[in-house]
Amino acid sequence: NAGVTQTPKFQVLKTGQSMTLQCAQDMNHNSMYWYRQDPGMGLRLIYYSASEGTTDKGEVPNGYNVSRLNKREFSLRLESAAPSQTSVYFCASSEMDKDYGYTFGSGTRLTVV
Amino acid sequence: QKEVEQNSGPLSVPEGAIASLNCTYSDRGSQSFFWYRQYSGKSPELIMFIYSNGDKEDGRFTAQLNKASQYVSLLIRDSQPSDSATYLCAVNIIFRPAGNNRKLIWGLGTSLAVNP
Repeated sequence: NAGVTQTPKFQVLKTGQSMTLQCAQDMNHNSMYWYRQDPGMGLRLIYYSASEGTTDKGEVPNGYNVSRLNKREFSLRLESAAPSQTSVYFCASSEMDKDYGYTFGSGTRLTVV
Repeated sequence: QKEVEQNSGPLSVPEGAIASLNCTYSDRGSQSFFWYRQYSGKSPELIMFIYSNGDKEDGRFTAQLNKASQYVSLLIRDSQPSDSATYLCAVNIIFRPAGNNRKLIWGLGTSLAVNP
């Protein structure tokens, strides 16, 4: 099925460890996004990529890096995980220059202990 | 700061009733408006979008838009227990006119509980 695929679905990290969250879409969308969602805080944009080769910071970029590997793939890296990064992470894709909504991946539930 | 506001709820309605979910937004230049449904532990899924003033119906769902009042709502008729979820309102704004780049600004969501 067409859509946005995220891996892994669950992850537990120790403080200071690093990891990369993977995201791939097969809808030929130009734009991709990384969000985190915390209780009472809603969806907060971490980074986005308007098109292949470009990335920009969102509302909460500190502690994260991203790579737009190609048109399909957009990864999120935590270099040194902190308990404050415990959250559910969603990747999404869209056509940024059109009035369309976003398609979301199934999410990654990350716990940092 | 562009904002989208929703009542957090919970909104509780009996099965078969009409659920009314409301959203206000601050950017008068917004052109498109979206309602997403999010079940607990799942990702948001798009259920309705609306671009023009007035009503748009899709099955049991009706989206209503009033740009003058900067207000968008979602009505769910004949509510079912399976409609129990958090409903997120999102508004598309142009943040980079040169490239016609848009992004969604999200509300915090309204929790809906439909009681059998």
